[in-house]
Amino acid sequence: GENVEQHPSTLSVQEGDSAVIKCTYSDSASNYFPWYKQELGKRPQLIIDIRSNVGEKKDQRIAVTLNKTAKHFSLHITETQPEDSAVYFCAASTGGNNNDMRFGAGTRLTVKP
Amino acid sequence: KAGVTQTPRYLIKTRGQQVTLSCSPISGHRSVSWYQQTPGQGLQFLFEYFSETQRNKGNFPGRFSGRQFSNSRSEMNVSTLELGDSALYLCASSFFQGNEQFFGPGTRLTVL
Repeated sequence: GENVEQHPSTLSVQEGDSAVIKCTYSDSASNYFPWYKQELGKRPQLIIDIRSNVGEKKDQRIAVTLNKTAKHFSLHITETQPEDSAVYFCAASTGGNNNDMRFGAGTRLTVKP
Repeated sequence: KAGVTQTPRYLIKTRGQQVTLSCSPISGHRSVSWYQQTPGQGLQFLFEYFSETQRNKGNFPGRFSGRQFSNSRSEMNVSTLELGDSALYLCASSFFQGNEQFFGPGTRLTVL
């Protein structure tokens, strides 16, 4: 089955700096890669996702890049703000008839004011 | 549209007991997945149901089981509880398998 590895496990940046979180996946059939943000005591919420027919996707300060050949994808947050502090999870799925979505172990991002 | 709901929100049980957790997906969503979340372990996939059928199962012992009803509501059951079962149990629904998942608030289970 799919195996997703996520790095780093913790990340601390100064407000205004950029943050990058990287994930690798094992199943070359995976074609859907969402990123979730989980604030303390709250449920995970989708912040951005990308499908395998696209190499990059942006949404304001957030961007995701995908390298299918290397089987890795990354989350980029620019101009970080204290409210970006949370745990971020990447995931990979082949979609279709099996929901084999597997999550990375998470990255705790701390943005220092 | 109402979000995913889970009941109960908190539960305290003792070792050896069993527990049933409930998840109501977003109206129209037919896929429900269950995850166990523990500190440092991320989101561990338990199983996924679609149209009342278990489509996929994670690497958990047989004490963990589930089912889905015709209205897409799902339940998961854990029998013979162990201390290590203490965790936040999250369910997520999606319109179709492999699509964006919407998470419920979770049920925090404590096993004493």
